[in-house]
Amino acid sequence: AQKITQTQPGMFVQEKEAVTLDCTYDTSDQSYGLFWYKQPSSGEMIFLIYQGSYDEQNATEGRYSLNFQKARKSANLVISASQLGDSAMYFCAITPVNQAGTALIFGKGTTLSVSS
Amino acid sequence: DGGITQSPKYLFRKEGQNVTLSCEQNLNHDAMYWYRQDPGQGLRLIYYSQIVNDFQKGDIAEGYSVSREKKESFPLTVTSAQKNPTAFYLCASRTGSTQDEQFFGPGTRLTVL
Repeated sequence: AQKITQTQPGMFVQEKEAVTLDCTYDTSDQSYGLFWYKQPSSGEMIFLIYQGSYDEQNATEGRYSLNFQKARKSANLVISASQLGDSAMYFCAITPVNQAGTALIFGKGTTLSVSS
Repeated sequence: DGGITQSPKYLFRKEGQNVTLSCEQNLNHDAMYWYRQDPGQGLRLIYYSQIVNDFQKGDIAEGYSVSREKKESFPLTVTSAQKNPTAFYLCASRTGSTQDEQFFGPGTRLTVL
């Protein structure tokens, strides 16, 4: 069984500050993928970044980067230079890599509020 | 444009009625999924289908049913056996590659009156 834990219900930052959203996971799979999604108040789910368990480099996508620490089973999302439009709910998710079509398992999310 | 459509956007149901939520994708994805989201909560998996004419129960399948007769379509029926169906329902699809992300539809907000 796989499990995602996001311990921060809410985070508050000011514009242009960097913020780290925590994610820890539990899995018995040797190969797995970790995903981060953003959900604005409109409800749509927006894919942000992916990290494979065997990737040697931490994933980066623009202002998003993933601080992947495999031994600690953590995959924290770092948003650099926060913008007002970053205010949303953020979800971490996991799935095994070698089982095609298997669903993503999501954490409970962290609400990020960015103020000016 | 390729994507996932869900209809209706808002749905109201009386207690004891079955309702069906539509999900259609034109991304040519093999796998499709249904999630339920309660206010301030994460997504919980209801059902998923890896291929046409096959589907598996997720963590909270009780009171729900699905079918997968076509690759493009994965409708979800919320039956009267679902005791607390008021929630936001999200449909998603994915390619066969597990390194690819899930694409989501815009969601259906179901309210039981």
